[in-house]
Amino acid sequence: QKEVEQDPGPLSVPEGAIVSLNCTYSNSAFQYFMWYRQYSRKGPELLMYTYSSGNKEDGRFTAQVDKSSKYISLFIRDSQPSDSATYLCAMTGGSQGNLIFGKGTKLSVKP
Amino acid sequence: DADVTQTPRNRITKTGKRIMLECSQTKGHDRMYWYRQDPGLGLRLIYYSFDVKDINKGEISDGYSVSRQAQAKFSLSLESAIPNQTALYFCATTTSGSTDTQYFGPGTRLTVL
Repeated sequence: QKEVEQDPGPLSVPEGAIVSLNCTYSNSAFQYFMWYRQYSRKGPELLMYTYSSGNKEDGRFTAQVDKSSKYISLFIRDSQPSDSATYLCAMTGGSQGNLIFGKGTKLSVKP
Repeated sequence: DADVTQTPRNRITKTGKRIMLECSQTKGHDRMYWYRQDPGLGLRLIYYSFDVKDINKGEISDGYSVSRQAQAKFSLSLESAIPNQTALYFCATTTSGSTDTQYFGPGTRLTVL
C-alpha cells in the first residue's frame, strides 16, 4: 500500500461548480498536511497548509483533515477556469521528516 | 525575481552524456531538495541537504549525485544519462524552522535520447 493515495483524475467540471479533491494515507504519524497547485509547465506552489485535524478556509478554498479516517480533502467553491491545474496533496510527520506527495489530480474547469 | 531558480529550463542530451542541473535560492533557507516528476508517478525525492555539509539520499538516488556548493546552491548531476532519466526535475527549499512547507523552482525539462 502506498503511503499516500490520490486519484489522478482527470476531473472536468463546469465553471461555478464545487470541486472536491481527496487523498488517503496510511502513516498515522503524519501531522502536517498541505495542498500544492501546479500549473502546466510550472513548479508546484503551496496552496493550503493544515496542522493535525480540522478545517482551514482561505477564500474559495477549504482544506479538511480527518486523522481518524486518514483522509484529507480540498474543496474549491465557485470554481474558475483559472483553477485548472494539477493539485498535489503532501504530508509529513514533523520537522525532521520529508514531504510525501500524492500523485496529483488534474482538474479542468470549463467556461 | 524568483526566489528559487533552476538552470537550464530545458535540456536535450544523448545517452551517456554527463549533465548538471543547477538550483539557486535567495530565500535564505538551509534545506534544499531535488525531485523528479514523471506522468503517473508524481514527485519522487532524489536527494536532499539540510545544510552545506549534509547530503542525504532520497527514494531514487541511483544514477544521480549532488553537490551543495553553498547554502544557496544545490546541483544535481547525471554522470551518464540514460533515457529513463527523461523527466521534469524540480528543486525545492525550506527552512528547518518551518513546518516543512517547501518552495519549488520552475523546473528543468530533461530529455535523454
